[in-house]
This record gives sequence, C-alpha cells and structure tokens, in this order.
Amino acid sequence: SAVISQKPSRDICQRGTSLTIQCQVDSQVTMMFWYRQQPGQSLTLIATANQGSEATYESGFVIDKFPISRPNLTFSTLTVSNMSPEDSSIYLCSVGQGADGANVLTFGAGSRLTVL
Amino acid sequence: GEDVEQSLFLSVREGDSSVINCTYTDSSSTYLYWYKQEPGAGLQLLTYIFSNMDMKQDQRLTVLLNKKDKHLSLRIADTQTGDSAIYFCGFDNYGQNFVFGPGTRLSVLP
Repeated sequence: SAVISQKPSRDICQRGTSLTIQCQVDSQVTMMFWYRQQPGQSLTLIATANQGSEATYESGFVIDKFPISRPNLTFSTLTVSNMSPEDSSIYLCSVGQGADGANVLTFGAGSRLTVL
Repeated sequence: GEDVEQSLFLSVREGDSSVINCTYTDSSSTYLYWYKQEPGAGLQLLTYIFSNMDMKQDQRLTVLLNKKDKHLSLRIADTQTGDSAIYFCGFDNYGQNFVFGPGTRLSVLP
C-alpha cells in the first residue's frame, strides 16, 4: 500500500493565522482526501483533492476556509485559513486504492493543530 | 446518509477476547471495514468484508456481518496490550464518501 508523509506533524498556531499542511505520497494516486478529526471525535471528510481541477468539498466546508492544491498525482496541500480555536483538530491526508475490489484508504499520521 | 453507532469504550483483560460492535442504517456499502488508530497515528486498515459475506477470519480477527440487523462486529482473540487503540468501522458507499463510525476506545488491562 502507499506510504504517506504529512507535515507538520503538529503545530501551535495563533488565532487569525493560516497554516498549510503538506501530504506526499510515494506513488501516483488518483484520489486524495483530506479529513478532520476533532478531539475525541471520528473523522469527517473535508474534501476530495482532484489533480488538475478544483477540489470537491463536503457540506459544511468551503474553499475560502480550506483551500486545497493538487499539483500532481503524488502531492497535495491543505491550508487552514484564518484559524480560530474551533479549528484545533487533527487533519489527516488519505489516499484511496483498490484492493481485490475493495476501496482501501491509507492514511498519513496526521497533523495535530492547536489554535490559541 | 449513513448513521453509524459504536460503543465509545470497551475494557478487557489481557488474554480475553474483545468484541467491538457497530450498527448502521444504510446498507448500500459494497465493503465494510475496520480501522485501528493508535495514539498519535493515522488510521490503519485492519480488515474488511464484502457485503455478501457474513463472516471473515484473519488470524486473531473475526468479522461478523448481519445484514438483516445491520450489525457489524470485530472480535479480537487473545487480546494483547498492543491492541489498545481506537477502532472505527467504515463504509465506502460504492467508493464515494467514505463514512466512519464514532470509534470504540479499547483498553486492555494487564
């Protein structure tokens, strides 16, 4: 399965600033996803990062707040803009790959953001 | 959309079996998955079951699927301290909009 590197692994940010999270995959993949995991919660899909076109956002998430880039088939970034304490979460990059017909998601280790 | 429920906590003694349960509302998922999240890490795929099957065994892991009752379970035999983690059931909705349950935190007591 793919190996995913995410950075930063953690950061402490000031309210009103923006932070960009990078996701690097060791192989070319079509589907890349960004998830948010709020403290003690499950994962919520933010958006699907499409290579060569705009990201597809889920209900409740907008491009102005979470701009995404996908310049090639191995790399994506997620920016958390104008942060507030409510944005304190773990942000996870994921790729989808087929395995015997199943759609297996492989995750990066996550980026834990704390907003003060 | 998919509504998924899991018990939030489970404690077992080392060497005992653990059973983690998951109930869901939407049966359109082709495959049903179990993921494990250790502290400070992303999710790791444990196993998955095709929706037309009712059981899958993989070493210490047994997955049971009751489609009539919309109930999925994960049994871990001979639970070890290294099994302490959060376990998420997941649904792929025909490869779109992957949905996860709220997660069950398994604590293994020595």
